[in-house]
Amino acid sequence: DTAVSQTPKYLVTQMGNDKSIKCEQNLGHDTMYWYKQDSKKFLKIMFSYNNKELIINETVPNRFSPKSPDKAHLNLHINSLELGDSAVYFCASSLIADRADTQYFGPGTRLTVL
Amino acid sequence: GNSVTQMEGPVTLSEEAFLTINCTYTATGYPSLFWYVQYPGEGLQLLLKATKADDKGSNKGFEATYRKETTSFHLEKGSVQVSDSAVYFCALKGSSASKIIFGSGTRLSIRP
Repeated sequence: DTAVSQTPKYLVTQMGNDKSIKCEQNLGHDTMYWYKQDSKKFLKIMFSYNNKELIINETVPNRFSPKSPDKAHLNLHINSLELGDSAVYFCASSLIADRADTQYFGPGTRLTVL
Repeated sequence: GNSVTQMEGPVTLSEEAFLTINCTYTATGYPSLFWYVQYPGEGLQLLLKATKADDKGSNKGFEATYRKETTSFHLEKGSVQVSDSAVYFCALKGSSASKIIFGSGTRLSIRP
C-alpha cells in the first residue's frame, strides 16, 4: 500500500549511459514532481506535472527528460550520464498544485555515475 | 524571489533537551510555510505546516508559529528523543507560485 514508489532504489552506471527512473503514486493525486538531492542534502525541484501537463521545468540540462504517461506515473529519463548527475532523486506528488498542499515523497533513487 | 534560510547544522543535543531550529523566509504575498523531516534512508515527510500569519502548526510534540512580522517559522520541541534524529527542512510555497522552495536542511542528532 505504498503511496509513492520509485524504482530502482539504487542505480550504479557508467558515464555516457542512458538510464530511467520510474515513479508511481496510488494516492489519486493530480500533481507529481521530480527533485534532486545532492550530497549536502540540498533539495532542488527539477520538474512538475499536473494532469500529465508539464507545469514546472527548472533550469535542468536537456539530457533530463520527464514523461508522464498518465497522472499516476512520472518517469525520468537521463541521457549521456555525467559524474555530476550522481545524487538522490526523489519523486513526490500532491493532490493539486496549491500553495497549502502537502507533498508526499517517494523513498528516493540513489544514482551513482562512475 | 522567494527564499528560505535555516540554521546550519549539525545540531547535537542530549535526550530530553529543548530544541529550536531557526528558519526565516523572504517572500512576496502570503506564502504557506512547512517543516519536512527526512529520516535516514527515507524520503521527506511533512512534519507540520501553517498557511497564514499567527497560525501554529504542531505534530509529534513539534511546534512552529508563522510570524509575519519577523518573517520566521522556527521549529521547537520541548523534550527531544533519540528517534527525532533526522534532517529537518523548512520550506515555503508562494501564493502565486506552484513550486515549493526548501531550505538547506538541518541535521539533528540526539544522544541517549
